[in-house]
Amino acid sequence: EVQLLESGGGLVQPGASLRLSCATSGFTFNSYAVNWVRQAPGKGLEWVSGITGSGAGTYYADSGRGRFTISRDNSMRTVYLQMNSLRVEDTAIYYCAKELTGLTRGSFDIWGQGTKVTVSA
Amino acid sequence: QSALTQPPSASGSPGQSVTISCTGTSGDVGGHNYVSWYQQHPGKAPKLMIYEVTQRPSGVPDRFSGSKFGTTASLTVSGLQAEDEADYYCISYGGSNNLLFGGGTKLTVL
Repeated sequence: EVQLLESGGGLVQPGASLRLSCATSGFTFNSYAVNWVRQAPGKGLEWVSGITGSGAGTYYADSGRGRFTISRDNSMRTVYLQMNSLRVEDTAIYYCAKELTGLTRGSFDIWGQGTKVTVSA
Repeated sequence: QSALTQPPSASGSPGQSVTISCTGTSGDVGGHNYVSWYQQHPGKAPKLMIYEVTQRPSGVPDRFSGSKFGTTASLTVSGLQAEDEADYYCISYGGSNNLLFGGGTKLTVL
């Protein structure tokens, strides 16, 4: 069974850092792109970042570019999102989502259950 | 880039059909065949319903269908059922490895 499991969320102050992890199982890890999507309380979905199956391509929404870094460890079958200089508006549930292919195209067939990030003074 | 435009709400009675639109630009919806649709029930992770404009993943009922004309993509739900009541989101590839979600549509089954 294909599974994604996020961890690393929590309550932090503005300006702090967090590293989210997305542990995966049940598929050929380096054949598929993985993305991070967030949802602020009571709001819609927002694409945050994506990484290709090979890891050669990393992509970011404007909201996180320069502050967030996505990476993957093929030996650990895990994708990471390093988030620095966190802002109140980064408060959201962060989901990791597997693409249908090795490219970032928005076709997320498997999602994790999400990890909650709260940025507050 | 701005989010794609969806109507905030839609509704229909059981058995009826409802169509939800998703409007973008020639740089995203109109320029690529990478439009997907997601269903999200309260407190749950989203579920892929349609990908590449018209493709349905296995396990998704054929009551769900997708289409595109110009810069507007659409999701049609036929034979509405109570369990279809949920939020629906479109997403499009926007070129340069950028992805854009729509604002979401709350579908109510009357």
